[in-house]
Amino acid sequence: EIVLTQSPGTLSLSPGERATLSCRASQTVSSSYLAWYQHRPGQAPRLLIYATSSRATGIPDRFSGSGSGTDFILTISRVEPEDFAVYYCQHYVGSPWTFGQGTKVEVK
Amino acid sequence: EVELVESGGGLVQPGGALRLSCTASGFTFSSYAMSWVRQAPGKGLEWISIIIGSGSSRDHADSVKGRFTISRDNSKNTLFLQMNSLRAEDTAIYYCAKSHHYYTPGSYFDSWGQGTPVTVSS
Repeated sequence: EIVLTQSPGTLSLSPGERATLSCRASQTVSSSYLAWYQHRPGQAPRLLIYATSSRATGIPDRFSGSGSGTDFILTISRVEPEDFAVYYCQHYVGSPWTFGQGTKVEVK
Repeated sequence: EVELVESGGGLVQPGGALRLSCTASGFTFSSYAMSWVRQAPGKGLEWISIIIGSGSSRDHADSVKGRFTISRDNSKNTLFLQMNSLRAEDTAIYYCAKSHHYYTPGSYFDSWGQGTPVTVSS
């Protein structure tokens, strides 16, 4: 099973600041099989990024993904008020699909 | 527009059973794999089951294998999760999620429902 470890657990930021979220895999993950999701309380999770760096439909370009091997990054260039949420990385190589434990982006 | 609506959650006693449903619209249901993902209180997301477009192949996480069964009725655009022998640790919000293609390997989840809560308690 591929274990994904996200850091930091919580990121306290002011609107307009840059957010850098990390996801480290316990073994090499092809860059084709790494995704990021946003989850606001009480809402459905939302796909942000797939294949490490491809933005999903309708996702603003302030969200970007990068990385390779075991280290992946989600960057929010300038955090907007609606971006305060929990973010999960996920691999989709195959069973079992696993998620990181999440990074909460909160208002400073 | 893709819409996924879960139903069937509720309060059930340990050892009991529950059947969740997810009604889909806005896309050709039979052309896509579908999954169930849950979130226990205060915890992160956990994938638990996936089924390919035709329904002929499925897989479950070890945590639910032998107790939960995923299935689908493509004529009714509906995904199901039969949950038996429920335990307190199965308490969670259960989400259905659409895969971006027909098969399961290499599938990410491009649309999600709002979830249905399941509480296992006496």
